[in-house]
Amino acid sequence: DAKTTQPTSMDCAEGRAANLPCNHSTISGNEYVYWYRQIHSQGPQYIIHGLKNNETNEMASLIITEDRKSSTLILPHATLRDTAVYYCIVKDRGSQGNLIFGKGTKLSVKP
Amino acid sequence: GAVVSQHPSWVICKSGTSVKIECRSLDFQATTMFWYRQFPKQSLMLMATSNEGSKATYEQGVEKDKFLINHASLTLSTLTVTSAHPEDSSFYICSARVGLAVSRGSYNEQFFGPGTRLTVL
Repeated sequence: DAKTTQPTSMDCAEGRAANLPCNHSTISGNEYVYWYRQIHSQGPQYIIHGLKNNETNEMASLIITEDRKSSTLILPHATLRDTAVYYCIVKDRGSQGNLIFGKGTKLSVKP
Repeated sequence: GAVVSQHPSWVICKSGTSVKIECRSLDFQATTMFWYRQFPKQSLMLMATSNEGSKATYEQGVEKDKFLINHASLTLSTLTVTSAHPEDSSFYICSARVGLAVSRGSYNEQFFGPGTRLTVL
């Protein structure tokens, strides 16, 4: 079973920030938080990952709480092309860790 | 960098035939490749993990004699669905874990192919 819980769906207005929450209360010390997204009928796309510090790249920002039990993915200016299912996954970054997908959050960006 | 391709992107076959799907890492060497299956409106389910030159490790409930995986090189893995039936119709997605880094920070990360839509009539 996936080790994360996410809301089933969210809506966001185009141009506004999309904040996607994820709970991972059983995360262990050597596990990272990964975010992927899947646009309809495509393979998953890597977005960002982090261990305990906040991270930012050209796609998004990742905010991890100090106790690491939850995180938020932020898309600063959502566009219609950001409509997708977003998956939050915790995984050991070592060679034995596999990506196990939960149900994710269906983000709908509306005009 | 870190591009994974799959071929074909879609295939339609008759029941009882076998179908081969290729997964290639285009600009990096993959220490490990993964095969996932996704049914409509469901999440991705890991089918098997393969390391180059060794036998694949299958997840519980996945028939190894039906889903043959070959990982002959560090850039190519194939999935063969043998004696396909309509219930095998699904979206098959491969993923590759970076062996030699293509960019700083990408070592050991997983990248996904675009998927193959299989329809068995």
